[in-house]
Amino acid sequence: DVKVTQSSRYLVKRTGEKVFLECVQDMDHENMFWYRQDPGLGLRLIYFSYDVKMKEKGDIPEGYSVSREKKERFSLILESASTNQTSMYLCASSRVNTEAFFGQGTRLTVV
Amino acid sequence: KNEVEQSPQNLTAQEGEFITINCSYSVGISALHWLQQHPGGGIVSLFMLSSGKKKHGRLIATINIQEKHSSLHITASHPRDSAVYICAVRGPNFGNEKLTFGTGTRLTIIP
Repeated sequence: DVKVTQSSRYLVKRTGEKVFLECVQDMDHENMFWYRQDPGLGLRLIYFSYDVKMKEKGDIPEGYSVSREKKERFSLILESASTNQTSMYLCASSRVNTEAFFGQGTRLTVV
Repeated sequence: KNEVEQSPQNLTAQEGEFITINCSYSVGISALHWLQQHPGGGIVSLFMLSSGKKKHGRLIATINIQEKHSSLHITASHPRDSAVYICAVRGPNFGNEKLTFGTGTRLTIIP
């Protein structure tokens, strides 16, 4: 079974902190994605990576950065956490033009 | 940008009923995905289709490319089918891996 693992299920951080969300996949997928999910808005793409060290901005990249130093790991970084970044964060991976596999999600609360 | 609309937003049915969830999109696509999200956050891919019909157990997905419409059917519904069902589409160009998501249909099956 494909496994996409996110480092935390629940996270509480203070405003202004630098926050790292980690995602690891074990199926050698080229593509990795970070989404956030908010009620009434659905999933929105923050960043996408199609190869090691390669990244593309999604629909809502402001306030976020990403890092992909190894193929299996894709990190989402909140440079200075703010309360409007309180959300559910979902990581996904896929091969080119195939179905996506999702992690279990990280519910981040910024206080 | 593709607009993805799902209907209904909420659906409550009795166990055993036949369920239909609809998805419409505004621009041509290369593939459409149906996803399932249970309480707690994890998302599972149910189907990826670009034409015709696919079946897996009690679930059937159909797509009409000309009408830009897809349906997800559940036969003999069961309380364990209670979840949020999400439609997502991929743009028409090969190599465009970004998905646009609907806001989901919350299905509740009453025993």
